Amino acid sequence: GQQLNQSPQSMFIQEGEDVSMNCTSSSIFNTWLWYKQDPGEGPVLLIALYKAGELTSNGRLTAQFGITRKDSFLNISASIPSDVGIYFCAGQSRDSNYQLIWGAGTKLIIKP
Amino acid sequence: GAVVSQHPSWVICKSGTSVKIECRSLDFQATTMFWYRQFPKQSLMLMATSNEGSKATYEQGVEKDKFLINHASLTLSTLTVTSAHPEDSSFYICSATETATNQPQHFGDGTRLSIL
Repeated sequence: GQQLNQSPQSMFIQEGEDVSMNCTSSSIFNTWLWYKQDPGEGPVLLIALYKAGELTSNGRLTAQFGITRKDSFLNISASIPSDVGIYFCAGQSRDSNYQLIWGAGTKLIIKP
Repeated sequence: GAVVSQHPSWVICKSGTSVKIECRSLDFQATTMFWYRQFPKQSLMLMATSNEGSKATYEQGVEKDKFLINHASLTLSTLTVTSAHPEDSSFYICSATETATNQPQHFGDGTRLSIL
């Protein structure tokens, strides 16, 4: 089915570094969501974006809803070991009946 | 807030057994619940959308007689994998939302199903 283009696929970083990942789509979305999934658990909502251009922060996390409504990025500042996991973007729109359209995920690994 | 509880977290059973998985919204009323399946190293694949009091809507390729969904109340939906076989082994995750529109989905912790 339809999927968002999420990059990078994986990131190997040092603790303390900043992280940036993004998602793009050929379709317009009304809502962009960013989730984090730890192994063996369900995704946890990090940030929800509802307006084009919206910039929202949640602690060390910052996400933006692109002006064109076709993209979004997530930044993590000063990474710590518990940031390890898989980050998924997801879009919602009326056209998809508000079902979530998922990116393939970005696996974040922090080098000791 | 917005806590979704999924039970059991892990099931191991013999081929031919039927397995029921429960999904509960603990602190909100879930008009709509979703059931997903996730294969290793992949994102979530939607199986069906369930609205309280009505029949579930299944995605293409998902057998509704195989995966029975019941959403009898605003806080509980169940997925029953009937006559499970090894190929049904997977990670099943539910999510819930207060409305069917522009609200984020909140996810349960998933159920690891292993069929021997």
